[in-house]
Amino acid sequence: EAQVTQNPRYLITVTGKKLTVTCSQNMNHEYMSWYRQDPGLGLRQIYYSMNVEVTDKGDVPEGYKVSRKEKRNFPLILESPSPNQTSLYFCASSFAGATNEKLFFGSGTQLSVL
Amino acid sequence: GDSVTQMEGPVTLSEEAFLTINCTYTATGYPSLFWYVQYPGEGLQLLLKATKADDKGSNKGFEATYRKETTSFHLEKGSVQVSDSAVYFCALRGPNDYKLSFGAGTTVTVRA
Repeated sequence: EAQVTQNPRYLITVTGKKLTVTCSQNMNHEYMSWYRQDPGLGLRQIYYSMNVEVTDKGDVPEGYKVSRKEKRNFPLILESPSPNQTSLYFCASSFAGATNEKLFFGSGTQLSVL
Repeated sequence: GDSVTQMEGPVTLSEEAFLTINCTYTATGYPSLFWYVQYPGEGLQLLLKATKADDKGSNKGFEATYRKETTSFHLEKGSVQVSDSAVYFCALRGPNDYKLSFGAGTTVTVRA
């Protein structure tokens, strides 16, 4: 089954404790992206990747890191989480052949930073 | 930069009512336009899309027409069901950009 898998689904942590949210897709997609969803703000892009070893900043990259060492995986790293990073996070992927390709989304990771 | 503005919610309707969610966009060139839906506790999934002016996207009884003259992509459904309760997002992707820009989302609740 074609899917984007994120883990964990829920995460509660404390300020400053490094964490990683994993994302994996099984559709051989070149393009992968991370979004955060906050009430009244919709989804805002954090980072994206056009292919292996190619990553770039989105609209709200501060406080986040990503890597793309393999095509299927695109982890999101919070080196020193802060309470303003409490949010619902989504990973998404698509083919990069055309800009009208639809995005496939993971089920989300609800992060709470205390 | 490219952006999307959609009607604020929440919207509460009775079953079989007509639903319209307004969406307007600002973009250079000819973007592709999308409506995504998020059911409770789930990720987003594509509802419909249109890739050029005057195209009509349709799926599950929902429709939206790409209107370049009014820079709009309003979502409509003639007779909603309780199962249509969800958050709806209008989004665009520029012609030379893979980034998907989203509106703020509209929460729709349909009562039996």
